[in-house]
Amino acid sequence: EAQVTQNPRYLITVTGKKLTVTCSQNMNHEYMSWYRQDPGLGLRQIYYSMNVEVTDKGDVPEGYKVSRKEKRNFPLILESPSPNQTSLYFCASSPIDRGVRPQHFGDGTRLSIL
Amino acid sequence: EDKVVQSPLSLVVHEGDTVTLNCSYEVTNFRSLLWYKQEKKAPTFLFMLTSSGIEKKSGRLSSILDKKELFSILNITATQTGDSAIYLCAVARSYNTDKLIFGTGTRLQVFP
Repeated sequence: EAQVTQNPRYLITVTGKKLTVTCSQNMNHEYMSWYRQDPGLGLRQIYYSMNVEVTDKGDVPEGYKVSRKEKRNFPLILESPSPNQTSLYFCASSPIDRGVRPQHFGDGTRLSIL
Repeated sequence: EDKVVQSPLSLVVHEGDTVTLNCSYEVTNFRSLLWYKQEKKAPTFLFMLTSSGIEKKSGRLSSILDKKELFSILNITATQTGDSAIYLCAVARSYNTDKLIFGTGTRLQVFP
């Protein structure tokens, strides 16, 4: 089954403790992206990647890191989480070709930073 | 600054009603507009609109784009409780076709 898998689904942690949210897709998509969703602000892009070893900042990259060492994986790293990073996070992927292709989303990861 | 604005923010209707959700945009180098439905988990793709005036339809859902007035509408006829969700509008820009700008969404609640 074609899917985007995020782990964990829920995480409660404390300020300053490094964490990683994993994202994996099995569709051989080149493009992958991380979003955060907050009430009243909609989905905002954190980082994206057009292919292996190619990453770029989205609209709200502060406090986050990513890596793309393999095509299928795109982990999101919070080196020193803070309470303002409490949010619902989505990973998405899509193929890249000449047209716009709808992105496939993971089921989301709800992070609470205390 | 590029922006996508959806209205209303929230909508409560009874089963059987017809609803219209709005999405307006101000985006440089517009390429396409996409609608997603978000229930409890991941947003799922509904429609992608690239050309003005051409209606996309899927069952009770339909959508149309007006590139002159810079908006799109999503219509849902004969609503059902299963239509309850957040409906997201997103715009793709032509210089980076995979980067989407999302609106804040419209929360639709359908009661029996």
